[in-house]
Amino acid sequence: ELKVEQNPLFLSMQEGKNYTIYCNYSTTSDRLYWYRQDPGKSLESLFVLLSNGAVKQEGRLMASLDTKARLSTLHITAAVHDLSATYFCAVVPNRDDKIIFGKGTRLHILP
Amino acid sequence: SQTIHQWPATLVQPVGSPLSLECTVEGTSNPNLYWYRQAAGRGLQLLFYSIGIGQISSEVPQNLSASRPQDRQFILSSKKLLLSDSGFYLCAWSVGMRPGGTQYFGPGTRLLVL
Repeated sequence: ELKVEQNPLFLSMQEGKNYTIYCNYSTTSDRLYWYRQDPGKSLESLFVLLSNGAVKQEGRLMASLDTKARLSTLHITAAVHDLSATYFCAVVPNRDDKIIFGKGTRLHILP
Repeated sequence: SQTIHQWPATLVQPVGSPLSLECTVEGTSNPNLYWYRQAAGRGLQLLFYSIGIGQISSEVPQNLSASRPQDRQFILSSKKLLLSDSGFYLCAWSVGMRPGGTQYFGPGTRLLVL
């Protein structure tokens, strides 16, 4: 059974600091997604990573994928309060068609 | 551009009552459609997905059902709601031959069963 584990599940950090959220998965996959969810809102697609070594950046967020290590990271640079949200990674196993979501990382950035 | 609608936005229902949530997609043809449930403070649970009219795959056996009467319409139903059915219900769509493409989510329906 595919497992998608995010670490940490909750993160409180100061503005201006850097931090990384980790997403580990337990089967082969070359498709990984990152989503953002604001409190009480729906999910918004952030990044799509489709190959080993893929790196995508948008503003202060940068996502990368290492398919050999079965690991994706979401790096936050110089965090600002507006980035406070829950971040989900989601994986599609190579021999399956379903997206499996992690439990999410709730990020709280203190001013 | 594509848009996805869900209604109602919020719903309060008594235990044992029926349920019907609707999702429609505009601006695309033959999308893959999905229903998810998110319990308070929790992750996403895939309930159903559909790759075409009348084609429904159920991921979690429970008192819910789904139907796809038209290409861009996806309906989530229940004959008798349980307290545990409370949550945030999200509809999503993707394109491609396989269901594993990027999913785009609707605004959600918040359901409270009392």
